[in-house]
Amino acid sequence: AQSVAQPEDQVNVAEGNPLTVKCTYSVSGNPYLFWYVQYPNRGLQFLLKYITGDNLVKGSYGFEAEFNKSQTSFHLKKPSALVSDSALYFCAVRDLGGSQGNLIFGKGTKLSVKP
Amino acid sequence: NAGVTQTPKFQVLKTGQSMTLQCAQDMNHEYMSWYRQDPGMGLRLIHYSVGAGITDQGEVPNGYNVSRSTTEDFPLRLLSAAPSQTSVYFCATYLDRGVGTEAFFGQGTRLTVV
Repeated sequence: AQSVAQPEDQVNVAEGNPLTVKCTYSVSGNPYLFWYVQYPNRGLQFLLKYITGDNLVKGSYGFEAEFNKSQTSFHLKKPSALVSDSALYFCAVRDLGGSQGNLIFGKGTKLSVKP
Repeated sequence: NAGVTQTPKFQVLKTGQSMTLQCAQDMNHEYMSWYRQDPGMGLRLIHYSVGAGITDQGEVPNGYNVSRSTTEDFPLRLLSAAPSQTSVYFCATYLDRGVGTEAFFGQGTRLTVV
């Protein structure tokens, strides 16, 4: 079964510092990985995805993610955090088996960026 | 172009009542799905549809029914609400089954069952 894990419930970062939100995956076959962000009382918004190719994927709002096959990880990164980046972040993997292509989400990581 | 529209945004139900959460999309997407979001549990798949007339169960289908009579609409029905169904519900759509296709989400329905 496909799954993703987000080992940190919360990440605290000072504004201007680099941030990392961690995600590890477990899949049979090729992994198709996504990051989404959820601002308070809003739906989820797509940030970026890894399908194939370069291990460093660039996305919206200055975010990027590094795919590491040997460590089965797909960590979200940003060189310089903003207070406005404070939100809930979800890692997801495409389930090509049981649910025919739906996304399976991790439990989410709350990012808090302090001024 | 409204994208994915969910109604209502908020709802309070009494135990045993029934209701339908509406989801409508104007993007002509083939796939539609319902998720529930609970604190510390992420999003869990309830039901999904790969096209009009076709639905299937996800991870947590008990207590919910769906139907897909048109491409645009995918309502979620609670036949007899229970406090355990207190949650935030999200409808998502996908253009197709392509591995790189991202999901588009509605704004959510916050449901409280008392």
